[in-house]
Amino acid sequence: RKEVEQDPGPFNVPEGATVAFNCTYSNSASQSFFWYRQDCRKEPKLLMSVYSSGNEDGRFTAQLNRASQYISLLIRDSKLSDSATYLCVVKGSGAGNNRKLIWGLGTSLAVNP
Amino acid sequence: DAGVTQSPTHLIKTRGQQVTLRCSPKSGHDTVSWYQQALGQGPQFIFQYYEEEERQRGNFPDRFSGHQFPNYSSELNVNALLLGDSALYLCASSRTEYEQYFGPGTRLTVT
Repeated sequence: RKEVEQDPGPFNVPEGATVAFNCTYSNSASQSFFWYRQDCRKEPKLLMSVYSSGNEDGRFTAQLNRASQYISLLIRDSKLSDSATYLCVVKGSGAGNNRKLIWGLGTSLAVNP
Repeated sequence: DAGVTQSPTHLIKTRGQQVTLRCSPKSGHDTVSWYQQALGQGPQFIFQYYEEEERQRGNFPDRFSGHQFPNYSSELNVNALLLGDSALYLCASSRTEYEQYFGPGTRLTVT
């Protein structure tokens, strides 16, 4: 089983739709979780951290389910500019290499007019 | 405030050659991480530098080495290049354990 798994998509949705992505992780001791966004041929950019209580930033909502070991990202009222690849990132606990970031392969989203 | 910068932006090398990529972190950041991203894949962690020492390392061979300077800038060196080393090389800086910010990357093509 991969350490971090995402559905690669692509997700094709119309403008205004609500879309949700899930990401599962294998290490139950993982401590920190992030969603990054990456546009084609550009560098990843931090979209939001994921907190235990869930957090919202405008149209974006992130949630963590420790029992089932997954995080989710919900995008409401999709815009054309939301088209990108969304990368799930998990940070381990402990010392040394256990604390490195593990990246998913990303989920591709295309928002259509 | 300048963000993370990387140089060069593009590079073409032949098999067997050596390459050095450079990264300047965001102001105030002391930790630099390097990633390799192949087309259609997520970033793969190469290593991380803090206080001029390699603190963590991913599953990359010894052909990949690095260095961090007192001003926190960093270099990634790859020896004996293989075709499979063709990728986007990303540098990310952070302030110790906080979120990482990425540079625009160096696109390396090995022919």
